[in-house]
Amino acid sequence: DAGVIQSPRHEVTEMGQEVTLRCKPISGHNSLFWYRQTMMRGLELLIYFNNNVPIDDSGMPEDRFSAKMPNASFSTLKIQPSEPRDSAVYFCASSLHLSGNTIYFGEGSWLTVV
Amino acid sequence: AQTVTQSQPEMSVQEAETVTLSCTYDTSESDYYLFWYKQPPSRQMILVIRQEAYKQQNATENRFSVNFQKAAKSFSLKISDSQLGDAAMYFCAYRSRDDKIIFGKGTRLHILP
Repeated sequence: DAGVIQSPRHEVTEMGQEVTLRCKPISGHNSLFWYRQTMMRGLELLIYFNNNVPIDDSGMPEDRFSAKMPNASFSTLKIQPSEPRDSAVYFCASSLHLSGNTIYFGEGSWLTVV
Repeated sequence: AQTVTQSQPEMSVQEAETVTLSCTYDTSESDYYLFWYKQPPSRQMILVIRQEAYKQQNATENRFSVNFQKAAKSFSLKISDSQLGDAAMYFCAYRSRDDKIIFGKGTRLHILP
């Protein structure tokens, strides 16, 4: 049974470039979460979706960040333009939409902006 | 807004000994769920244990158990018979009724051989 699949696993990009991170949730899961992990700030919730609809995007740092979920099996997190301070590990996670259910994480996308 | 606090940035324990990691949270909700996740050097997030707030009985998974004190809003993780493979970052997490999941900043656990 496939878990949450993220791509790319690693990306190095130059400042100012557009970055798109991709996520395929576990089949049947209807909640999807994007997190960012840094040493300084830990695991931050950026945005989460229920049934493809964004519910809370208050964690999105600024307008340079955007997230979409066009269907139940795919989501993207886009940074445009990227900056060095965006360097982090970005995790996608999914679960069934009931508060007690466990969330399952992908392996993360390591982003370095130089 | 809910918050999760892990007051111990790092801890060390001798192999085969027992260690307890602390977690406190703040919420006005009465029904919620709490989790402990482990993150080894590979960065993969692995569920360790899960607790339902309406259950008084503390959750247990093999060598891992929790001490859930709802009134005190405390949710500590006890690891018994520590093993080298337990070395990792441990995160406490709170899941609210509106599906939001908040993590603490983590505790890095070192296992001393």
